[in-house]
Amino acid sequence: SQKIEQNSEALNIQEGKTATLTCNYTNYSPAYLQWYRQDPGRGPVFLLLIRENEKEKRKERLKVTFDTTLKQSLFHITASQPADSATYLCALVDQTGANNLFFGTGTRLTVIP
Amino acid sequence: DAGVIQSPRHEVTEMGQEVTLRCKPISGHDYLFWYRQTMMRGLELLIYFNNNVPIDDSGMPEDRFSAKMPNASFSTLKIQPSEPRDSAVYFCASSSYGAGTDTQYFGPGTRLTVL
Repeated sequence: SQKIEQNSEALNIQEGKTATLTCNYTNYSPAYLQWYRQDPGRGPVFLLLIRENEKEKRKERLKVTFDTTLKQSLFHITASQPADSATYLCALVDQTGANNLFFGTGTRLTVIP
Repeated sequence: DAGVIQSPRHEVTEMGQEVTLRCKPISGHDYLFWYRQTMMRGLELLIYFNNNVPIDDSGMPEDRFSAKMPNASFSTLKIQPSEPRDSAVYFCASSSYGAGTDTQYFGPGTRLTVL
């Protein structure tokens, strides 16, 4: 069956450290993979998109990697801050070409001051 | 632009009642998506529209669910009759070019509780 698994439900990290979140997928052939941030009581907010033929994408303190052999994407936040505390969702679009965006269940990140 | 607008923000109803959720997408966006989020299943796509036409409704759980988009600036998701298992947060999202290469902009969601 198809699955998108994010490494853990919750991750606590000390301020200033690098947070690394994992997204593993099974029985998908992603054309694109996206990462979203969701705060309590709000809708997800788009952060980064990476294509299947890209290995790495950066945006300010954020970095995403995509390994189609391992079927995994890693999401890094460097120099983490308490304001980075939120739930992070990975989502992918399969190569079937449909517009369906399939989401993982998310990792709740808490950055401790 | 005010972003994607959803109403109501909270809805509490009794089992068997009809529920209508509303969405106004960002002006100029050709795609509109309806999602449901629960603790158990996460965020799931229910249906999406392109230029007001329903393209894929395979995520709609049952015939009790229906969605319409009568014009480019308005969509509804209706549940009739509602059941307690429909309790969830329902999100509407819109984008210019579809889910793949384009950013989806999500509304604040409607928290539905069916008693």
